[in-house]
Amino acid sequence: AQSVTQPDIHITVSEGASLELRCNYSYGATPYLFWYVQSPGQGLQLLLKYFSGDTLVQGIKGFEAEFKRSQSSFNLRKPSVHWSDAAEYFCAVVRDDYKLSFGAGTTVTVRA
Amino acid sequence: KAGVTQTPRYLIKTRGQQVTLSCSPISGHRSVSWYQQTPGQGLQFLFEYFSETQRNKGNFPGRFSGRQFSNSRSEMNVSTLELGDSALYLCASSLAQTYSGRDEQFFGPGTRLTVL
Repeated sequence: AQSVTQPDIHITVSEGASLELRCNYSYGATPYLFWYVQSPGQGLQLLLKYFSGDTLVQGIKGFEAEFKRSQSSFNLRKPSVHWSDAAEYFCAVVRDDYKLSFGAGTTVTVRA
Repeated sequence: KAGVTQTPRYLIKTRGQQVTLSCSPISGHRSVSWYQQTPGQGLQFLFEYFSETQRNKGNFPGRFSGRQFSNSRSEMNVSTLELGDSALYLCASSLAQTYSGRDEQFFGPGTRLTVL
């Protein structure tokens, strides 16, 4: 079944440094891909999505992601991290049975 | 516009009891989905309702059930609670006017269920 894998469980980054979170998908056709963020005690907020077209997708809060079919990846990036970006990030794909399947998540810690 | 609201936010139950969780979607949204989030299993899809009909269901036992009302509000019920049902239950709604399963979902803050 279609799925996504997030290889990094936890990432620590300094405030002002760049951030890249990895997501690999398993899907034969063009996938519907999402990145969500979850702050402690909160629900999930959509950062960006990819359905088709331009492979570089801009999202909210200064995030962007690039879809690379050759690498089956949809990595999330931010050029300069703020302390408020500390949260858990989830990559997700819509499967053929229309169920949204999430990766295990990557926790981001931002140090001053 | 108000976001997705879930009640209650926190709940403590004992094994064998049953529980009902409520979700009010964003006004105008007709699709409501439920997810279970645990440290061990992560985020797992429970079911999706669209226009009062269950359109999709995850791999959960029959103890987990749900329904959607004509105003799009949704409830999920878990009967005969087990310790492993302790989780954060998230509800999400989407604006889809026709069922597609691929529309942006807006999540509520969740209900934290603890089973003792």
